Amino acid sequence: AQTVTQSQPEMSVQEAETVTLSCTYDTSESDYYLFWYKQPPSRQMILVIRQEAYKQQNATENRFSVNFQKAAKSFSLKISDSQLGDAAMYFCAYRLPSNFGNEKLTFGTGTRLTIIP
Amino acid sequence: KAGVTQTPRYLIKTRGQQVTLSCSPISGHRSVSWYQQTPGQGLQFLFEYFSETQRNKGNFPGRFSGRQFSNSRSEMNVSTLELGDSALYLCASSPGLYSSYEQYFGPGTRLTVT
Repeated sequence: AQTVTQSQPEMSVQEAETVTLSCTYDTSESDYYLFWYKQPPSRQMILVIRQEAYKQQNATENRFSVNFQKAAKSFSLKISDSQLGDAAMYFCAYRLPSNFGNEKLTFGTGTRLTIIP
Repeated sequence: KAGVTQTPRYLIKTRGQQVTLSCSPISGHRSVSWYQQTPGQGLQFLFEYFSETQRNKGNFPGRFSGRQFSNSRSEMNVSTLELGDSALYLCASSPGLYSSYEQYFGPGTRLTVT
């Protein structure tokens, strides 16, 4: 069974600084997707960034980027120039490709990120 | 496009009762997944429906069931409610096609069982 581990329950960062959230996962599959989701206090889960396992290039979305280490099964999220609006719970998630008929996301336990003004 | 909508947003029920939650996916999306979120267990997958068929199921007791209608709207039902069923129930929709890999979440239904 696939598992996702986030070892940092809470993190804090000064506004405008950079922070990295860690995620490791366990799978025997070679093809899969990895995601970072953000859940602000309003509770709406929002996709931040995604990574396809077959792609060697790390995904980036504006101030958000990932460090994907497939052999190490590590998938960290870097947030640059942190803003107050980045304060939220961040979840790392894993999913097999849809051609397996599987939309199931396996989530980590989350990291609560606090931004210090 | 309108996002994923869930009704009701808040619900209070008594132990032993049953409850039905509704999820309307983004227009054109055929897959709807349900998740339970609790402080103790985190986010856990309940089940997924695609074109009115349950395609995948999580490890929950039979009291949890769901269905999907021809317009892709989905309902989940919990019978004989227990205190431990208090949670935020999230649904997510996606096109559900083989090339798809992104899910969009609704705001959730907060269920409190007393």
